[in-house]
Amino acid sequence: TAGITQAPTSQILAAGRSMTLRCTQDMRHNAMYWYRQDLGLGLRLIHYSNTAGTTGKGEVPDGYSVSRANTDDFPLTLASAVPSQTSVYFCASSDSPGGADGYTFGSGTRLTVV
Amino acid sequence: GQNIDQPTEMTATEGAIVQINCTYQTSGFNGLFWYQQHAGEAPTFLSYNVLDGLEEKGRFSSFLSRSKGYSYLLLKELQMKDSASYLCAVMDSNYQLIWGAGTKLIIKP
Repeated sequence: TAGITQAPTSQILAAGRSMTLRCTQDMRHNAMYWYRQDLGLGLRLIHYSNTAGTTGKGEVPDGYSVSRANTDDFPLTLASAVPSQTSVYFCASSDSPGGADGYTFGSGTRLTVV
Repeated sequence: GQNIDQPTEMTATEGAIVQINCTYQTSGFNGLFWYQQHAGEAPTFLSYNVLDGLEEKGRFSSFLSRSKGYSYLLLKELQMKDSASYLCAVMDSNYQLIWGAGTKLIIKP
């Protein structure tokens, strides 16, 4: 089934540790995104990539980094986790940044930083 | 600043009709999206409006008025499986999606 795969599904992480959230898509979409979703808030964009080899900062990029070495993979790294990074993280992709077909989302990673 | 407003929670009865409103103030406008998100799951795309008017897709319809910065999602013949959060999102002038916090829709038998 075509779509986006995120791993892990959930994780408990000690504060100060680093972690990489994985995201892989098989739809050959150009654009990919990382969002965090917190209760009572809308999805907030962390980083994005409009095409392989390029990345950009979203609304809440501090404490996170991304890379886009190829079309399919878009990993998100937390260099030194803090409790405020406890959230549900969604990776998404679209054929183009302004695509009318909308975004396809992965199933999410639930991260708890303790 | 950019802002998307939608009600936090709504309740409706199975078989009835419900309208979920969304108002927005954004830097530019390149389309408005509605997504459905069941608890613990990923958002899924429902509709896209870029021109004023009504777009109908089966039991779901979405309306847009750009001059008023307003949209609504209309759900007809409600089913229990429609219990979910409905997210309104606007694509701004930089082609970034600005998201509302979502409306939790509770369907009662």
